[in-house]
Amino acid sequence: GESVGLHLPTLSVQEGDNSIINCAYSNSASDYFIWYKQESGKGPQFIIDIRSNMDKRQGQRVTVLLNKTVKHLSLQIAATQPGDSAVYFCAENIYDYKLSFGAGTTVTVRA
Amino acid sequence: SQTIHQWPATLVQPVGSPLSLECTVEGTSNPNLYWYRQAAGRGLQLLFYSVGIGQISSEVPQNLSASRPQDRQFILSSKKLLLSDSGFYLCAWSVGVSEQPQHFGDGTRLSIL
Repeated sequence: GESVGLHLPTLSVQEGDNSIINCAYSNSASDYFIWYKQESGKGPQFIIDIRSNMDKRQGQRVTVLLNKTVKHLSLQIAATQPGDSAVYFCAENIYDYKLSFGAGTTVTVRA
Repeated sequence: SQTIHQWPATLVQPVGSPLSLECTVEGTSNPNLYWYRQAAGRGLQLLFYSVGIGQISSEVPQNLSASRPQDRQFILSSKKLLLSDSGFYLCAWSVGVSEQPQHFGDGTRLSIL
């Protein structure tokens, strides 16, 4: 089975509000995590990553939080826009160069 | 900057026919290369990865094979397609060190009839 999972398969958010997407992982030895955004018919697009020696990392309008105690990862999107509608995946570096992906959360932005 | 190209974007093939999907990367050298399959509404399943020319690691037993004839070229093949081979196939690359993101192409939608 998958070692990485998402708490909710869908998320509906009002335009302008903040979005929070959650992810649980099972391998306590994982040391690197990535968030991807996938639009319909396209490949996943890298958003942000975080290493296990950090608990927070910020990008442009996005923040990733890592809680190693409870093996939880979250992606926060500030001021959600219609262009943020997509499927979001978390991925965990399980060993070597291999990533394990969750099933994804579909984010729909309401106008 | 680095770019990754996959072709074709869509492909419809009959059961039992052969398959060849190509992926090339530009703007980098000695990349790690990956083939994934994505079932509808699901996450990505790693099929093959390569850390160098001629070096292929298979992650799941299946009807597919991969080859890396050149540093920045990765090919996914099959001699005889099955209905279960339908899906969205994604190629990705990363730099050859750990803790680096993988970057994906736009995929090939493969339908088997």
